Amino acid sequence: DQQVKQNSPSLSVQEGRISILNCDYTNSMFDYFLWYKKYPAEGPTFLISISSIKDKNEDGRFTVFLNKSAKHLSLHIVPSQPGDSAVYFCAASGKNGANSKLTFGKGITLSVRP
Amino acid sequence: SQTIHQWPATLVQPVGSPLSLECTVEGTSNPNLYWYRQAAGRGLQLLFYSVGIGQISSEVPQNLSASRPQDRQFILSSKKLLLSDSSFYLCAWTGGVHTEAFFGQGTRLTVV
Repeated sequence: DQQVKQNSPSLSVQEGRISILNCDYTNSMFDYFLWYKKYPAEGPTFLISISSIKDKNEDGRFTVFLNKSAKHLSLHIVPSQPGDSAVYFCAASGKNGANSKLTFGKGITLSVRP
Repeated sequence: SQTIHQWPATLVQPVGSPLSLECTVEGTSNPNLYWYRQAAGRGLQLLFYSVGIGQISSEVPQNLSASRPQDRQFILSSKKLLLSDSSFYLCAWTGGVHTEAFFGQGTRLTVV
């Protein structure tokens, strides 16, 4: 049972344009959401997070939007740069018990064309 | 500052041989520790999760086991490796709920 879903396996955008990466979740106990970036043969690095008490969090070129009613979040990268090309993972967790561990989606491969 | 060390970076092992991957965290106490596996096209699959010494939760049935002999040490083991154990293994830690996870550099395991 995939509790965090990234249904699009890949995305290609032109340099300078916006990249929008989507993520859906099914567990209503999740209340903290994160995005990670991963290059081949390396560990993922943390990008940005959002708590369920917010619907938007911004850090430089990266903005995460959360729609709790739809159980959907998205990562916007503006403007996209070739160095942003990587695999992006969405992750979620809750406060208690089994829900407190981080659950990841399958990832989206972003390619930014020069 | 906190750091996480995972080794070795690459490993080639024959089928049926044992496995021991080690992960240590520095600069924090009582971390939550994780072992993940990334297989091609399958994202990050959580294998084991630990909230304290000797406390291990297994997420998927498999040929692997984990142990936490010390607060900041997490070990992934197998008594007899299978070809299907070939993958990229990642250790991570968090400081508790609602905190980001920090990952090690990963171990590329190839079972031949």
